[in-house]
This record gives sequence, C-alpha cells and structure tokens, in this order.
Amino acid sequence: GQQLNQSPQSMFIQEGEDVSMNCTSSSIFNTWLWYKQEPGEGPVLLIALYKAGELTSNGRLTAQFGITRKDSFLNISASIPSDVGIYFCAGQDQDGNKLVFGAGTILRVKS
Amino acid sequence: DAGVIQSPRHEVTEMGQEVTLRCKPISGHNSLFWYRQTMMRGLELLIYFNNNVPIDDSGMPEDRFSAKMPNASFSTLKIQPSEPRDSAVYFCAAGGSGANVLTFGAGSRLTVL
Repeated sequence: GQQLNQSPQSMFIQEGEDVSMNCTSSSIFNTWLWYKQEPGEGPVLLIALYKAGELTSNGRLTAQFGITRKDSFLNISASIPSDVGIYFCAGQDQDGNKLVFGAGTILRVKS
Repeated sequence: DAGVIQSPRHEVTEMGQEVTLRCKPISGHNSLFWYRQTMMRGLELLIYFNNNVPIDDSGMPEDRFSAKMPNASFSTLKIQPSEPRDSAVYFCAAGGSGANVLTFGAGSRLTVL
C-alpha cells in the first residue's frame, strides 16, 4: 500500500530554534496536509497544500508541496514551548478518497 | 459547531467483552473515517463512509471489527470479542466531499486487559 516516510522521528530543540521536518512518498499525491497532535487530543490541521510547488504559511509555520508531488516539508520558525507535540504529514492519493498518514515527528522544545 | 464528538473518551475492559465506540460527526460533512492509533503502527485507516455508505473497509483488522453509520449524525465502531492487541486510541474524523481536510475527534482510548 501507499506509504509516507516522515523524518525525523523526533526532535529535541532549544526554544527559539527553527525546525524542519519532511515527508516523502513513492507515489504521487494530489494534496499534502500537515497536522499537529497534542497529548490526549486528535490531530488538528495546520496547513493544506493543493498544488505542486505551492508554498503556504500559517504564522510561524511554512509548508511546501514538492514539485514532483512526492514530497513535502514543514518548517517552524522561532520555536516556542507550545509547539511541542506530534506533527503528521498526510497525503491524499489521486483517487481522492483516502488520506495516508506519516508516522509522525515528535517535537520537544527546551526552554 | 461542537466538532466531532466521540464517546467514551476512555474505556477499560476485559478480554472477550464487546466494545462499542461512538461518533457524532460534524453536521454537513458527508464523509466519516475511523482511524486507529498505536505507537507501533501510527494512524491506520480502518474504514470510511461517504453519505452513510461504507466505501472502503479494507483496513478493518478482522471480522471482530464492525462499523455502522445508520444516519448522517451517528456512527459506531464495534469490537466483539475484544482482545488485548486491540488496545489503542480510536479516532473518528469528518470530511467534506473528498477526504482532504479531515476534522478529528478527541479519540477514544481503549485498554483491553
């Protein structure tokens, strides 16, 4: 089945540092999404990308839809303690029916 | 809008017991997805419905799992009989036409002893 490879698995960074994580796939996706999950809650959508090459920002978050449509990255600038959580990438296949999720990147921020 | 509402939030049961998880999706969203999250396997899609009709249940682990959506405002995921390996957090998510931009519930944490 389709798989997304998300990296890194985890990050422990100093408050104020920038963060970068990415996802790659062997398949082409029509949509890339980035979600954040906090303890005891469901994933919450951060950014949605719909077009190859698209670069979208949401506050300190920036995400890009790769030109090949097989990858995406998420950057967080000037991290703060409330950025902690698990970040998931998700891709929607060409059938447009299902989302496939990456394994997640665990982010910890040291203040 | 209250978002996707799941119940119970936590359930602890003994092996062999029947478990029923409930979901109230967002009004007007016509697709509903059940996911399971574990440390080992991450987020796995179990089944999804479009306009109350099951479209793809290929992710349902085995016959012990069943899901229904009798109307647009309610869905259940049932495990009978439950086993310890079913312990996980089960999420319900609502989407519009097409799967993108899913809105997740807070999840139901199931522990089977």
